[in-house]
Amino acid sequence: EAQVTQNPRYLITVTGKKLTVTCSQNMNHEYMSWYRQDPGLGLRQIYYSMNVEVTDKGDVPEGYKVSRKEKRNFPLILESPSPNQTSLYFCASSLRMNQASYEQYFGPGTRLTVT
Amino acid sequence: AQTVTQSQPEMSVQEAETVTLSCTYDTSENNYYLFWYKQPPSRQMILVIRQEAYKQQNATENRFSVNFQKAAKSFSLKISDSQLGDTAMYFCAFMKFIGFGNEKLTFGTGTRLTIIP
Repeated sequence: EAQVTQNPRYLITVTGKKLTVTCSQNMNHEYMSWYRQDPGLGLRQIYYSMNVEVTDKGDVPEGYKVSRKEKRNFPLILESPSPNQTSLYFCASSLRMNQASYEQYFGPGTRLTVT
Repeated sequence: AQTVTQSQPEMSVQEAETVTLSCTYDTSENNYYLFWYKQPPSRQMILVIRQEAYKQQNATENRFSVNFQKAAKSFSLKISDSQLGDTAMYFCAFMKFIGFGNEKLTFGTGTRLTIIP
């Protein structure tokens, strides 16, 4: 089954304790992206990757890191989480638009609470 | 920068009725794509319908259809014969045609739709 998976689905942590949210897709998609969803703000892009070893900042990258060592995986790293990073996080992937397939597939979301 | 506005934070409608969710956007691009996503209580993001800006014909998917007004930069979603399972948050989203660049989706703030039995 074609899908995007995220782990963990729920996480409660304390300020300053490094954490990683994993994202994996099995569709051989080139493009992957992280979004955060906050009430009243919709979803905002954190980072994106156009292919292996190619990443760049989105609209709200402060406090986050990413890596893309393999095509299927795109982990989101919070080196020193703070309470303002409490949010719902989504990973998404897609083929490239030049391949006439631009639908983004979303993972199930990760609810992160930083106390 | 592109912006997407959903002016109705919440809506409710009786089951089997028709409801229209509004969305406006601001862009200087000519080629772009518009989407409606549904987010039920499970929080999964589900693509409902999409529209290519170069297509004049409005997209339809079963009970879901859009009214795309390119000149007015308006992209409303109509749900016909609404069902209890349509209860969800609905997000309008914009993506400009980039090709090899960042295929970022710009989202509106959402409309929470409740279908009343």
